[in-house]
Amino acid sequence: GAGVSQSPSNKVTEKGKDVELRCDPISGHTALYWYRQRLGQGLEFLIYFQGNSAPDKSGLPSDRFSAERTGESVSTLTIQRTQQEDSAVYLCASSIQWGGLYEQYFGPGTRLTVT
Amino acid sequence: QKEVEQNSGPLSVPEGAIASLNCTYSDRVSQSFFWYRQYSGKSPELIMSIYSNGDKEDGRFTAQLNKASQYVSLLIRDSQPSDSATYLCAVNSGSRLTFGEGTQLTVNP
Repeated sequence: GAGVSQSPSNKVTEKGKDVELRCDPISGHTALYWYRQRLGQGLEFLIYFQGNSAPDKSGLPSDRFSAERTGESVSTLTIQRTQQEDSAVYLCASSIQWGGLYEQYFGPGTRLTVT
Repeated sequence: QKEVEQNSGPLSVPEGAIASLNCTYSDRVSQSFFWYRQYSGKSPELIMSIYSNGDKEDGRFTAQLNKASQYVSLLIRDSQPSDSATYLCAVNSGSRLTFGEGTQLTVNP
């Protein structure tokens, strides 16, 4: 079946502009996660959603970052007033259920470059 | 101490050899452990999951878990140049996965 999809694959934006990144999880997966990976570094947890429960936003680095998810489908990650340090690959993953016990499958990522 | 630590790379092995990748974790109550492979410029790809002490084999890959020592490893037998990638260890801590920084493996033909 189809895997996790993300769009756009690449995004170049000017400092100070807002960007919106999209993630479409695997069908039937109730949990969705966003991570950030800076060049040459590990994965940094940002936020996760589980069904209709309140999301865990504890990894969001600042109030410029926000995310939404409609039910168990598409999620959008919004970064307002982008800064150069926001340049990274933003990865979305989904799993069949919430919690660290379940395997997470990643999308191809969105490479964000802030100039 | 980092929550998940991996042996520092890069690791270089000749084609056909066994590559051994190691990972230690700090949360004693962790229950699930994963290995991901990440090719340069690509996203992580799940290759192994392990939940119980002991070995789990899948093709050329063997994951080993020792909860008492808080240690998990990945062995790649008959290493191929196509195995050259960064390998990420991930460990659950409560409802999240925490990832190590990764070990870069190069398999030389």
